[in-house]
Amino acid sequence: AQKVTQAQTEISVVEKEDVTLDCVYETRDTTYYLFWYKQPPSGELVFLIRRNSFDEQNEISGRYSWNFQKSTSSFNFTITASQVVDSAVYFCALSWSGTYKYIFGTGTRLKVLA
Amino acid sequence: GAVVSQHPSRVICKSGTSVKIECRSLDFQATTMFWYRQFPKQSLMLMATSNEGSKATYEQGVEKDKFLINHASLTLSTLTVTSAHPEDSSFYICSASSGGQPQHFGDGTRLSIL
Repeated sequence: AQKVTQAQTEISVVEKEDVTLDCVYETRDTTYYLFWYKQPPSGELVFLIRRNSFDEQNEISGRYSWNFQKSTSSFNFTITASQVVDSAVYFCALSWSGTYKYIFGTGTRLKVLA
Repeated sequence: GAVVSQHPSRVICKSGTSVKIECRSLDFQATTMFWYRQFPKQSLMLMATSNEGSKATYEQGVEKDKFLINHASLTLSTLTVTSAHPEDSSFYICSASSGGQPQHFGDGTRLSIL
C-alpha cells in the first residue's frame, strides 16, 4: 500500500534559521512521483516541486532544496534562511504509475517567528 | 502555468440545502479531475476521481449520493453536496490533470453549513 508520513506536526523557528521538513514514503511501485506543496493560511495549494523515482538528483531553487534518497524512502525539504512568509503548512504527496491520484501526508505546520 | 478556477471560494448556507461547487480548467483540457476534502488542521483526503464523460470513482467511505460529481466537459467538473448538514462543513479543493501530467489545484471552497 502507498503511504506518506510527515512525522513533524509543527515546527517553529526564528527567522533566518534553516529548517528541514521530513517526508517518508512507502510504495511498491518502481515508477512513482513525489511532490511538495505549500498551503498558506489563505488555503490554496502552491506547487513547489515534482520528482520522479528515477531522478535522485537533489534540487535547489533559491532558498529551497530537496533531498531525495530512495535508500531511505525519504524526500526531505529544506528552507535556508527562513522568512516569516514561509509560514504555512507544507504537504508531501505521492503518486504512482497507473494512477493519477495523489496521497498526501498529514502536513507539517511551519511557523517562522520574526 | 496551468490555471484551475474554483467557484465559489466561500459559501454559507442553511442545513438541508444543496450546494454546487464548480471547477474549471482555464487553459488546458482536463481529462481527469479530482475532488478533495480538508478538515481544519488536517490533510487533504481524496473524495473522488472523475474522468470526462464517465461516472466518478469514489474513494471508500465517501457517499456518492451525498456528493454528486459531474464531469460533462474537458474543462468543467462540478461537485454538488446534497442536503448539506453541519458535518459537511469543510474545505473542498478540486484539481485537474491532463494525460498524467501533475495535478493543478483550484483555490478551494470553504463551505459552512449553519
